Amino acid sequence: DTGVSQDPRHKITKRGQNVTFRCDPISEHNRLYWYRQTLGQGPEFLTYFQNEAQLEKSRLLSDRFSAERPKGSFSTLEIQRTEQGDSAMYLCASSLLTGVSYNEQFFGPGTRLTVL
Amino acid sequence: AQSVTQLDSQVPVFEEAPVELRCNYSSSVSVYLFWYVQYPNQGLQLLLKYLSGSTLVKGINGFEAEFNKSQTSFHLRKPSVHISDTAEYFCAVSEGDMGRRALTFGSGTRLQVQP
Repeated sequence: DTGVSQDPRHKITKRGQNVTFRCDPISEHNRLYWYRQTLGQGPEFLTYFQNEAQLEKSRLLSDRFSAERPKGSFSTLEIQRTEQGDSAMYLCASSLLTGVSYNEQFFGPGTRLTVL
Repeated sequence: AQSVTQLDSQVPVFEEAPVELRCNYSSSVSVYLFWYVQYPNQGLQLLLKYLSGSTLVKGINGFEAEFNKSQTSFHLRKPSVHISDTAEYFCAVSEGDMGRRALTFGSGTRLQVQP
C-alpha cells in the first residue's frame, strides 16, 4: 500500500497523559499536513511541513501540541497533558509540491483519540 | 479569510433518486474548490476539484459539481444515487497559490440513501 498511513488507528488515554501519533506520507511527498476533526465537524487545519521545516501553525495548535518531521519523511504529533476536549480524529495528508500545477493532498485513515 | 458553508447537515434520499448537496464559500481571492467523501472510520477521498476552466466538473462515482462565481457556490450533484453513496461529504476551499495552502472544510453533509 503506497498511500498515507497513520499509527495508531485508535488511542484511548486518561486525562493528563501524553500521547504521540505517527504519520507516514506517500514516498517523496515533500508537504505534510495535520488536521483535526471533531464529531460532526469538518477537518480543521493544525500545521504543515515543507520537508522538515514547519511552515505554518494554526491557532488551534496550543502549547500542549508539538509536531515534528525530523528527516522530512514521517511526522509525529504529540499532545501533552491531554484534556477531554482533545478527543477527535487526527488526520494526516501529504502532497508533492512542484510549483507547476495544483498539488492534491492525499489523506490517511486518521487516528481517533479518546480522552477519558 | 476563507470559509465554507454546507447548508444541509443531513440529506435523506431514496435509492435511484437525484441528489444535490449545497456548498457556499467566501473568499477575497481566487480559490480552488473540492468535494471529499468520508466513509465510516476512513480518511477523506477526493471526489472532484475545480481549479480553473470549465465550471462543470465531473468526478468519480458519477458525481459532478458546478462552480458559480457570482453565487459563490459549488454544489455537488448526482442524477441517481446508490446505497453505497451513503457517507459524509465535505466541501473544501483553498486560496490559490497552487495548493500550497491548507484546506478549509465545511462542516459536512451526511447523505443517507434509503432503499
